[in-house]
Amino acid sequence: AQSVTQPDIHITVSEGASLELRCNYSYGATPYLFWYVQSPGQGLQLLLKYFSGDTLVQGIKGFEAEFKRSQSSFNLRKPSVHWSDAAEYFCAVGAAITDKLIFGTGTRLQVFP
Amino acid sequence: DADVTQTPRNRITKTGKRIMLECSQTKGHDRMYWYRQDPGLGLQLIYYSFDVKDINKGEISDGYSVSRQAQAKFSLSLESAIPNQTALYFCATSDPPQETQYFGPGTRLLVL
Repeated sequence: AQSVTQPDIHITVSEGASLELRCNYSYGATPYLFWYVQSPGQGLQLLLKYFSGDTLVQGIKGFEAEFKRSQSSFNLRKPSVHWSDAAEYFCAVGAAITDKLIFGTGTRLQVFP
Repeated sequence: DADVTQTPRNRITKTGKRIMLECSQTKGHDRMYWYRQDPGLGLQLIYYSFDVKDINKGEISDGYSVSRQAQAKFSLSLESAIPNQTALYFCATSDPPQETQYFGPGTRLLVL
């Protein structure tokens, strides 16, 4: 069965520091992978997605993620965090046929000035 | 205007009441979804619809029903609300193949 694990429930970083949010997935075939961000009181916004091709994908707001098949990982990175990046981040894996998304439990990012 | 809208945005109801949450989209997508978000659990799929005549159960459909009135409208009903249905509910849309899902702003439901 498909599953997504985000091992870090809560991460705190200082503004300007680098960030890496971890995501591990379990899926029998080539996965479709997504990162979404949810700001307080808001819906989910897509940051980036991986379907195929280059394993390093660029997203909005300066985020990037790298698909590593050997590690079943799709970690999200940002070289320098801004206070406005404070939010909850969700990794998701999609099924090729049904388009159903399986979400991780989320990582809440707190940014200190 | 937002592409995916949900009404109401907030709702308080009592145990046993029937309520309906509505979702409308202007993206022209065929596929629509209802998710539930609980703290620490991420999002769980309740129902999904590939077109007006195709509705499917998700992971946690018990206690819920849906209606796809048109391509643009997908409603979620709680026939007899119970307190453990207190949650944040999201509607989403997508277009195949494997395109991005676009989410509405959510409906916060409290069942007393």
